[in-house]
Amino acid sequence: GAGVSQTPSNKVTEKGKYVELRCDPISGHTALYWYRQSLGQGPEFLIYFQGTGAADDSGLPNDRFFAVRPEGSVSTLKIQRTERGDSAVYLCASSSPTSESTDTQYFGPGTRLTVL
Amino acid sequence: GNSVTQMEGPVTLSEEAFLTINCTYTATGYPSLFWYVQYPGEGLQLLLKATKADDKGSNKGFEATYRKETTSFHLEKGSVQVSDSAVYFCALRMYGGYNKLIFGAGTRLAVHP
Repeated sequence: GAGVSQTPSNKVTEKGKYVELRCDPISGHTALYWYRQSLGQGPEFLIYFQGTGAADDSGLPNDRFFAVRPEGSVSTLKIQRTERGDSAVYLCASSSPTSESTDTQYFGPGTRLTVL
Repeated sequence: GNSVTQMEGPVTLSEEAFLTINCTYTATGYPSLFWYVQYPGEGLQLLLKATKADDKGSNKGFEATYRKETTSFHLEKGSVQVSDSAVYFCALRMYGGYNKLIFGAGTRLAVHP
């Protein structure tokens, strides 16, 4: 079946611009996560949705970052007034947690964001 | 806070060599532990996991044992192949932590014929 998809695969923007990154989770997965991976580092958690609501947004670095999931499926990560330090690969993952011990997160291929 | 430390790479091995990638963690409770792998040009994939102390996760010839006494989850494989060349990430998830994963920095493995 279809995995997690993310669009665009690459995004180049200029400092100060607004960007939107999209994530399509695996059909039926209620949980959705955003992570950010800087060069040479492991992914860092940004935000977690359970259904339509953000259950944990403690990883968002500042108020320029915002994410929505209005219908409990597709999610959009929005970054305002982009800065060069925002350049990274943004990863989306989804899961269907029946219990914490069995939950597995499935990752998309990521969106590489470059801020010039 | 909760964190994961992995051995630095790159790790370069010849085919059929034995592999160990060290991973240790710091956690305030008892986490679940994971190894993810990222093959060139592909997304992160779960390789194996263990949810409690002394559990052994295994997959594709890779193994890791959850050692609470040493707070470790070292990845091992008895005989690596060229196709195992990838970046390996150790991660933890705290119970009641809303499922977010905390990753190590990753270890690049290069296997040569």
